[in-house]
Amino acid sequence: GAVVSQHPSRVICKSGTSVKIECRSLDFQATTMFWYRQFPKQSLMLMATSNEGSKATYEQGVEKDKFLINHASLTLSTLTVTSAHPEDSSFYICSTTRTDTQYFGPGTRLTVL
Amino acid sequence: EDQVTQSPEALRLQEGESSSLNCSYTVSGLRGLFWYRQDPGKGPEFLFTLYSAGEEKEKERLKATLTKKESFLHITAPKPEDSATYLCAVTGGGNKLTFGTGTQLKVEL
Repeated sequence: GAVVSQHPSRVICKSGTSVKIECRSLDFQATTMFWYRQFPKQSLMLMATSNEGSKATYEQGVEKDKFLINHASLTLSTLTVTSAHPEDSSFYICSTTRTDTQYFGPGTRLTVL
Repeated sequence: EDQVTQSPEALRLQEGESSSLNCSYTVSGLRGLFWYRQDPGKGPEFLFTLYSAGEEKEKERLKATLTKKESFLHITAPKPEDSATYLCAVTGGGNKLTFGTGTQLKVEL
C-alpha cells in the first residue's frame, strides 16, 4: 500500500499568490522527508530535506524564502510556495525514507497563471 | 559529485520482446542503487534496491543486476502495462538520492 500521501494532487493559482502542499507519511513516523521538483521530460531534482522539529536543509540554488518548509510533526511536512510565478509551475513530489529506501508520494501538479 | 546516466532515453518494444535498460553511475561509496517506475503524472514507484556488485533482484518480468560501474534492468516478455519511465538512482556517502533522466519504455501490442 501507499507509504506517503500528498495533498492536493493538482492546484492552479494566480501569479503572486501562495500555495501550500502537504506531505504525510502513512502508518509510520518520518523524522526526515524530502521535497523534489520535476519539470516535463526531466528527472527529479532534490529541493530540500525536511527535518522534524528543526530547519530544513536546502539544495544549492533553491530559495529558502520562496519555498518554505515546515515539518512540525513526525507524519506531516508542508511546502509553501510563496508569491508563486509561472516559472514555479512544476510537479512537486515528496518522499520519506524507510529502511534505506525512499518512498515517494503521488505528486502535486502546480500551475501558476 | 554523484552521477547517473541512463540509456537509451526511449525504447519501443513489441509485446514479448525482451530487452535491457542501462544505468551507469559514478559515486563515492555506493550505499545503494535504486530502480523506480514512474507513470505519467504520478510519483515514482519503488522497484528494487541493490547494494553490492553481483547482486540481483527479481520481480515478475523485471530483473535488476549490479556491477561496480553499472546496473541493468532486464525486462522479459514485456506487456503493454510495463510501459512507463524507469528511473535509476544512487545514494552515496552524502546520503542523497541522485537520479538519472530515465528511460521511457513503450510496449506495443
